[in-house]
Amino acid sequence: DAKTTQPPSMDCAEGRAANLPCNHSTISGNEYVYWYRQIHSQGPQYIIHGLKNNETNEMASLIITEDRKSSTLILPHATLRDTAVYYCIVRVGRSSGSARQLTFGSGTQLTVLP
Amino acid sequence: GAVVSQHPSWVICKSGTSVKIECRSLDFQATTMFWYRQFPKQSLMLMATSNEGSKATYEQGVEKDKFLINHASLTLSTLTVTSAHPEDSSFYICSARQGNYGYTFGSGTRLTVV
Repeated sequence: DAKTTQPPSMDCAEGRAANLPCNHSTISGNEYVYWYRQIHSQGPQYIIHGLKNNETNEMASLIITEDRKSSTLILPHATLRDTAVYYCIVRVGRSSGSARQLTFGSGTQLTVLP
Repeated sequence: GAVVSQHPSWVICKSGTSVKIECRSLDFQATTMFWYRQFPKQSLMLMATSNEGSKATYEQGVEKDKFLINHASLTLSTLTVTSAHPEDSSFYICSARQGNYGYTFGSGTRLTVV
C-alpha cells in the first residue's frame, strides 16, 4: 500500500471549513484513498473514500488531484465534535484474495476551537 | 450500516491473569477480522488477522501464545490476553470488513493491568 504523509496537527475555528491535506505521491492506479477519524478513546470511524473523482457525502468532501498524488478532506462546517485524529489511508479497493488490513499512519490531530 | 460490537469497553485485571475481549459483527458476516493495539499518543498497530475457521495470522513481534485469537463463527472473534503484565496495558480495537470496501471498527477495549 502506498505511503501517505499528513501534517501532525491542525486547528480550525468552529463553523469554518476544515481542510485536511494528504500526500500520496506513490499511489498506484488501482489504489483508493480512504479517510477515517478517531475521536479520543474510540474506534476509528469511516468518513469517505475515492479513486479519482471527487466525492461528497453527509460527513465530508474528498478532493483528489488530477495526478492523484494528493488529496484533501473537507469538513464544510467544523464543530467541536469533529475534534479527532484524521487518518488518510491508501490501499487497493478490491483485494485479490483474502481481506487485507488497513494500515494506519500517524494521522492529523484536528482541533476545532470555539 | 455495518456495526461491530466490542466488549468489554474497559477492564482492569491483576498481573498474571487472563482477559478475554469479544468482537461481534452484528448485522453482517465477517470471515476476516483484525485486531489492533494502540498505545497512548500512538497510531493503531495491527496485531493479527483473524480468519473464521482457521488459525490467526500474527504480525511480527506479536506473541501468538500470549495473545490467543479464536474466530469460531462468522460473527465472533475473541482476543485473550494471557498472563497479562502491566506492559500489556493498552487500547485494543477490532475491525471487520463488509464486502470489498467497508471496514468497520469496534469501540475499543481499554485494558489496564495492575
